[in-house]
Amino acid sequence: SQQGEEDPQALSIQEGENATMNCSYKTSINNLQWYRQNSGRGLVHLILIRSNEREKHSGRLRVTLDTSKKSSSLLITASRAADTASYFCATDESNFGNEKLTFGTGTRLTIIP
Amino acid sequence: DGGITQSPKYLFRKEGQNVTLSCEQNLNHDAMYWYRQDPGQGLRLIYYSQIVNDFQKGDIAEGYSVSREKKESFPLTVTSAQKNPTAFYLCASRQIRQGARGQPQHFGDGTRLSIL
Repeated sequence: SQQGEEDPQALSIQEGENATMNCSYKTSINNLQWYRQNSGRGLVHLILIRSNEREKHSGRLRVTLDTSKKSSSLLITASRAADTASYFCATDESNFGNEKLTFGTGTRLTIIP
Repeated sequence: DGGITQSPKYLFRKEGQNVTLSCEQNLNHDAMYWYRQDPGQGLRLIYYSQIVNDFQKGDIAEGYSVSREKKESFPLTVTSAQKNPTAFYLCASRQIRQGARGQPQHFGDGTRLSIL
């Protein structure tokens, strides 16, 4: 089952602009993670935000989490052509004996040089 | 370098044939996972294992089988019962020992399976 739903499904912006993508989920979570996937490759972990955190930064990435709305957003500032990839959110509902993530459907980001 | 190795990168299956995808990790992670990704879609969990000699079904386990005889290895067999096996298969691992909760998953570079 797909827990997270990303919005938009696809996004094209000019290099240098900011890119924002959103993720909604349905159940209580321990944390929410964002991953990046280049075409034909595996996923790479970008950032993790815990359920008791509201905002987190890592370089040009800013993630917010609103547990009351069950939603998260990923902001990439000053985009570069190399940021072109698919981005997935993943919710961690793990408890001992059931350690797994549930991935969303992804946002395809294209940065136009 | 520590990481996850999937092989082969490309695999072709004939009708009625079982094929096995390899996944090896040297990260000393407890848990390993297999996902299926269809074009333009997200990841769907096939099977996962949290400890050697034990594994659990994910959301789409029918037509697949796994084994976990060693901590480092988690091979996936796509059986002839899986009628639509064409997809991109991703293996991942994660540390889940107490004191290491909420860790990210590390992924291999995938195997693309096609039907001949």
